[in-house]
Amino acid sequence: GENVEQHPSTLSVQEGDSAVIKCTYSDSASNYFPWYKQELGKGPQLIIDIRSNVGEKKDQRIAVTLNKTAKHFSLHITETQPEDSAVYFCAASIYNYGQNFVFGPGTRLSVLP
Amino acid sequence: ETGVTQSPTHLIKTRGQQVTLRCSSQSGHNTVSWYQQALGQGPQFIFQYYREEENGRGNFPPRFSGLQFPNYSSELNVNALELDDSALYLCASWTSGGGLFFGEGSRLTVL
Repeated sequence: GENVEQHPSTLSVQEGDSAVIKCTYSDSASNYFPWYKQELGKGPQLIIDIRSNVGEKKDQRIAVTLNKTAKHFSLHITETQPEDSAVYFCAASIYNYGQNFVFGPGTRLSVLP
Repeated sequence: ETGVTQSPTHLIKTRGQQVTLRCSSQSGHNTVSWYQQALGQGPQFIFQYYREEENGRGNFPPRFSGLQFPNYSSELNVNALELDDSALYLCASWTSGGGLFFGEGSRLTVL
């Protein structure tokens, strides 16, 4: 079955710096890769997603890149702000389960003022 | 606002008991999924319902079961609770704009 690895597990950056979180997946049939932000005591919030027919997608300060050949995808956050502090999860679609995912273990991002 | 509402927000049960968790989503959201998130881990897919039928299940035993109702509400039932069932249970549905959106979850503690 699908396996998703995520690195680093924790990341501290200074406000205004960039943050990069990397994920790898195992199932070449996966074709949809969302990223979620989870704040303490809340459910995961979808922040950006990318489909396998696209190499890069950007939304303001957030961008995601996908390398299908290497089965890697990454989240890039520029000009980080304290409110970006949260746990971030990557996910890959599960073949045959259509609209569901295997999640990575998460990255705890701390943005220091 | 994701349009996915879960209840209760917190509950405590004893090992061996049964629990029912509830979820409601917006009109037209025909697909609902349930996930289990243990402390410090990513969510794990339990199962999915589409038009009141289960049409996908993760690696969870049969004592995890569900129902989906015509009014876009759904339930997750867990029988014979074990200590390891302590987790945040998340309900999610797909919106017309695309993307899987989660509720805030129900935190279950099994003593």
